[in-house]
Amino acid sequence: DTEVTQTPKHLVMGMTNKKSLKCEQHMGHRAMYWYKQKAKKPPELMFVYSYEKLSINESVPSRFSPECPNSSLLNLHLHALQPEDSALYLCASSQVGGGRSYEQYFGPGTRLTVT
Amino acid sequence: DQQVKQNSPSLSVQEGRISILNCDYTNSMFDYFLWYKKYPAEGPTFLISISSIKDKNEDGRFTVFLNKSAKHLSLHIVPSQPGDSAVYFCAASEYGGSQGNLIFGKGTKLSVKP
Repeated sequence: DTEVTQTPKHLVMGMTNKKSLKCEQHMGHRAMYWYKQKAKKPPELMFVYSYEKLSINESVPSRFSPECPNSSLLNLHLHALQPEDSALYLCASSQVGGGRSYEQYFGPGTRLTVT
Repeated sequence: DQQVKQNSPSLSVQEGRISILNCDYTNSMFDYFLWYKKYPAEGPTFLISISSIKDKNEDGRFTVFLNKSAKHLSLHIVPSQPGDSAVYFCAASEYGGSQGNLIFGKGTKLSVKP
């Protein structure tokens, strides 16, 4: 199984709402990632979890709160977002350590619109 | 400052011909390079990778070439098919760098015409 799944596929939320994005992988990977991608731009790394511990937070505002309940699941909790946070949010996973750890496998993304 | 550059925003190729996508980098500490393919409204799909100890890696119709002295890599697709039409991202990682720290280029949109 080489699939990373993400739910929901689309999300529209107001600036006062609280919502969560979910990601799941069953490839036995122990590193999971959240990226943000705006139109016609490359993916931008937000967070990295390695062995269920947050290892990288790329200066992301606190209105984004990641959570890794277990080695297969990754959540991104959203609260008080701004319209400029509208983007495609991508989850990815990879091995930890060794050459193949560079190869990240991405989910289909959640298209988020903040109104 | 962009460390990974894809200077061609778009490329159009006839079906059956070769597609060559180029990527340049500035950081000599990069030691692993990857190509991803992305369709609209989908996540990037890993295509092929190459370690800095190699100069070529081949997988079916896809071949990646690495020229370390020129800090340049290219992806060759032969023969090109209409289903190859997508945005292709080049990415690089630094040995000893933080887990998962892939640096992406801005992408090249490939159109393969029947």
